[in-house]
Amino acid sequence: GENVEQHPSTLSVQEGDSAVIKCTYSDSASNYFPWYKQELGKRPQLIIDIRSNVGEKKDQRIAVTLNKTAKHFSLHITETQPEDSAVYFCAATPGYKLSFGAGTTVTVRA
Amino acid sequence: GAVVSQHPSRVICKSGTSVKIECRSLDFQATTMFWYRQFPKKSLMLMATSNEGSKATYEQGVEKDKFLINHASLTLSTLTVTSAHPEDSSFYICSAFLGGNTEAFFGQGTRLTVV
Repeated sequence: GENVEQHPSTLSVQEGDSAVIKCTYSDSASNYFPWYKQELGKRPQLIIDIRSNVGEKKDQRIAVTLNKTAKHFSLHITETQPEDSAVYFCAATPGYKLSFGAGTTVTVRA
Repeated sequence: GAVVSQHPSRVICKSGTSVKIECRSLDFQATTMFWYRQFPKKSLMLMATSNEGSKATYEQGVEKDKFLINHASLTLSTLTVTSAHPEDSSFYICSAFLGGNTEAFFGQGTRLTVV
């Protein structure tokens, strides 16, 4: 099955700085890569996703890049704000069963 | 986006009793739903894939007799934790897809505490 690794496990950034989270996957058949933000006790919320036919996607302060050859994808958050503090999960799937990374706890310092 | 509703959001039960958690797709039909378990500060661990009209597919290490899944209609899947024990205390979340390779929609999650 698919194995997704995510780094770092924790990330502390100054407000206004950028945050980068990296993930690798093992199954070359994976073709859909979503990123989720989860606040304590809440459901995961999709913040951005990318499909294997695209190398980069951007939505305001959030961007995701995908390198299929190296089997890794990254989340970039620019101009971080306190409300960006949360746990972020990457995921990958070759079809419909998502495999999640271990998560990154992001803390934005004011 | 599509809405998945999960109930209850919190439940406290005594050891040895059973607890049923419902997951409903409110505005679409979901032939497949997924059940996850999440421990504090950990990732979502897939427990089983719930298929409408057929038996659920359980991930390795998940006891199918302890975590009973029923997907009797295209809009409802249920997870029953049988003979619950304190170690079953966790956050359980369901999800559904509109179709393969598209966004997954999650329920609100259920915080189960077994005392």
